Amino acid sequence: AQSVAQPEDQVNVAEGNPLTVKCTYSVSGNPYLFWYVQYPNRGLQFLLKYITGDNLVKGSYGFEAEFNKSQTSFHLKKPSALVSDSALYFCAVKALGGGFKTIFGAGTRLFVKA
Amino acid sequence: EAGVAQSPRYKIIEKRQSVAFWCNPISGHATLYWYQQILGQGPKLLIQFQNNGVVDDSQLPKDRFSAERLKGVDSTLKIQPAKLEDSAVYLCASSLGGAGVESWDEQFFGPGTRLTVL
Repeated sequence: AQSVAQPEDQVNVAEGNPLTVKCTYSVSGNPYLFWYVQYPNRGLQFLLKYITGDNLVKGSYGFEAEFNKSQTSFHLKKPSALVSDSALYFCAVKALGGGFKTIFGAGTRLFVKA
Repeated sequence: EAGVAQSPRYKIIEKRQSVAFWCNPISGHATLYWYQQILGQGPKLLIQFQNNGVVDDSQLPKDRFSAERLKGVDSTLKIQPAKLEDSAVYLCASSLGGAGVESWDEQFFGPGTRLTVL
């Protein structure tokens, strides 16, 4: 069965420091991987996706993510965190093995302290 | 461009009552999704439409939940009768979806409807 794991419920980082939000997946077939962000009282917003090609994907607001096939991971990164990055982040995957149904992780709450 | 619209934003009902949610996707988006997001969890897909046809409803509790997308545009999700465990945020999303279920298009989400069942 397809699954997505976000092993950290919460990540705390100081403003200006690099941040990483972790995501691992288990699927049959080549995965399509996505990151979404949910700000308070707002709907989920798309950040970036990996379909094929270059393992490093760049997205909105300075975020990037690295696809690692051997480790089945798709960690979200940003070189320098901003207080405004504080939000709930969701990793999602879809693949042939799951009928291309989108499966979301449980989410990781990011706190960026000034 | 206008985003995905949902109404109502909040709904409180008693168990065994019925409730309906409405969604209007982004114009031109072929694919429409309904998700259930329980507090502390990620969104769970309930049903996916491609135009006005259902492509996945494997996780929809069909004994109490129903959904339709007439004319391939807006959609309604109904719960009848509601149970306490249905308390959640119901999210509607849409995507271009021209390639069908294999599409890798990103999804655009509405603000959600927060349902409380007492």
